[in-house]
Amino acid sequence: GAGVSQSPSNKVTEKGKDVELRCDPISGHTALYWYRQSLGQGLEFLIYFQGNSAPDKSGLPSDRFSAERTGGSVSTLTIQRTQQEDSAVYLCASSARDRARGYTFGSGTRLTVV
Amino acid sequence: DAKTTQPTSMDCAEGRAANLPCNHSTISGNEYVYWYRQIHSQGPQYIIHGLKNNETNEMASLIITEDRKSSTLILPHATLRDTAVYYCIVRVAEGAQKLVFGQGTRLTINP
Repeated sequence: GAGVSQSPSNKVTEKGKDVELRCDPISGHTALYWYRQSLGQGLEFLIYFQGNSAPDKSGLPSDRFSAERTGGSVSTLTIQRTQQEDSAVYLCASSARDRARGYTFGSGTRLTVV
Repeated sequence: DAKTTQPTSMDCAEGRAANLPCNHSTISGNEYVYWYRQIHSQGPQYIIHGLKNNETNEMASLIITEDRKSSTLILPHATLRDTAVYYCIVRVAEGAQKLVFGQGTRLTINP
């Protein structure tokens, strides 16, 4: 597609439930990144995937968070047993091999845990 | 990645040039300066990047000092739609590395 697509755009879930957030990167982009942004805060790195290399999971806040990228394209971020502090906008970005051109971000998924 | 320092907020009148400074005194020789902005309720948007030469594109100009310890992003004719948080980031262009965002500068364009 023309840009990075994320779904759903908004998600309200009850505390304790699991959620899955989806990211469709730009076709051909080899790198994919997940960030989150809590209300009024900066962007917090979560995880990134680069081709067939092992993902960098150093930003995942707890073992309730996991992500996978199937076929080097679509990625799913899963949050298990959601907590209220998980409420945030989750942003996905992708970049081409020539990262000098910069990242392209999606519009994000706004997650609200009630 | 080298740390950057930006003012927390700035104001600029519509139609004027907005000049956003960034200090990166510990930048390494192979690190580029990147600028992104985030308009309210949207994902960050790439603006421009440079190594040591000044750069210009359809969105902005980037002026990097000769010692590369600081830079300035210039929006030549700011409009109300340029109101956003602007992030200055330094990192190597190659290699699978994540962008680390600081707090950025909240730029408000006033009518």
